Amino acid sequence: EDQVTQSPEALRLQEGESSSLNCSYTVSGLRGLFWYRQDPGKGPEFLFTLYSAGEEKEKERLKATLTKKESFLHITAPKPEDSATYLCAVHGSGNTGKLIFGQGTTLQVKP
Amino acid sequence: DSGVTQTPKHLITATGQRVTLRCSPRSGDLSVYWYQQSLDQGLQFLIQYYNGEERAKGNILERFSAQQFPDLHSELNLSSLELGDSALYFCASSAQTGGGETQYFGPGTRLLVL
Repeated sequence: EDQVTQSPEALRLQEGESSSLNCSYTVSGLRGLFWYRQDPGKGPEFLFTLYSAGEEKEKERLKATLTKKESFLHITAPKPEDSATYLCAVHGSGNTGKLIFGQGTTLQVKP
Repeated sequence: DSGVTQTPKHLITATGQRVTLRCSPRSGDLSVYWYQQSLDQGLQFLIQYYNGEERAKGNILERFSAQQFPDLHSELNLSSLELGDSALYFCASSAQTGGGETQYFGPGTRLLVL
């Protein structure tokens, strides 16, 4: 069964304190791993798509990496505006676009 | 702004009632997906439509149904509502279907069943 597990559930950082969020996945035949950011009461905002092990993508203070079993979202020198819930998702098995989401990591960055 | 629109933003109704949630995908996108987000379950896939046809089903209750119209907008119908149906309902769209395509999410409809 396709599964996504994110850790930690919650993370509190001081402004400027770099860290990483983990996403472990089990899926038969990865066709895409996605990172989204979600603010309270809002829709998930797309950040990155990764397709194969070894791939990396960057955007401002965020960098996403992918191995055969997990993905990391590295946050470098975070700012308070980076506070949000970060969601990881994979395309499930089968020829559809169904996404399987993890429970998310809620990040709080204090000034 | 993802380009996906959803109406209404908020909906308050009573148990046993029926409601309709509406979604307009990004211009040019053929696939529409519906997800439910509750505090204890996280984001759960409900159903997918591609160019008017049902493509995939998740753990969607029999009381729930959806359709995609010729102009590609979609509606999610929820009937015989129960307290446990209170949640955020999101629509997402992508250009095609199958694997690897990025899905862009709308702002959601918050449903409260009293």
